[in-house]
Amino acid sequence: DTAVSQTPKYLVTQMGNDKSIKCEQNLGHDTMYWYKQDSKKFLKIMFSYNNKELIINETVPNRFSPKSPDKAHLNLHINSLELGDSAVYFCASSELPGQSSYEQYFGPGTRLTVT
Amino acid sequence: AQTVTQSQPEMSVQEAETVTLSCTYDTSESDYYLFWYKQPPSRQMILVIRQEAYKQQNATENRFSVNFQKAAKSFSLKISDSQLGDAAMYFCAYRHFGNEKLTFGTGTRLTIIP
Repeated sequence: DTAVSQTPKYLVTQMGNDKSIKCEQNLGHDTMYWYKQDSKKFLKIMFSYNNKELIINETVPNRFSPKSPDKAHLNLHINSLELGDSAVYFCASSELPGQSSYEQYFGPGTRLTVT
Repeated sequence: AQTVTQSQPEMSVQEAETVTLSCTYDTSESDYYLFWYKQPPSRQMILVIRQEAYKQQNATENRFSVNFQKAAKSFSLKISDSQLGDAAMYFCAYRHFGNEKLTFGTGTRLTIIP
């Protein structure tokens, strides 16, 4: 019973293509996130959604568009892929801010390689 | 803006020994949480331990404990009786209370020597 799942785990594509990464959580959480981990292992938040509403957008290029069809899903669509988009993308979820536990649960990551 | 600094890119320790990973952070807030996450080669991010800033007592989880020095803005992780399965990247992270955003340090790669 995977708490936070992502598909695909690996994605290899060419520059200029459009691709999507899907994320689903079965924890009943209201908040979901996308993080990017670059080649130097640095992790940085990209977006957060709270009950389908965008809360955080960390100066991510417009080519990246998150979509939340319901509070259990947060997909990431990337247009016109560039070499610099190659990274591992993590989805995460947590309870609402202010909740005492408030731990962020991470998915297994999607390694995106743009050639 | 909050920043998290891990000054040790790599550390190694003999199996069964104790190792301490350093983390410092910069914030003007008084209510916040601090975390240590482990990322093994499988790349799954696993929460190791967390500390609420309002708690003076250092958090412990089995072989893992922290030394939280609020005034010094320091949050080190001590791993006792190191095991081969502890080999991983360790990330220190900060989150302001009531804010969703986790700010990560650059990580420390821990190697366990058999």
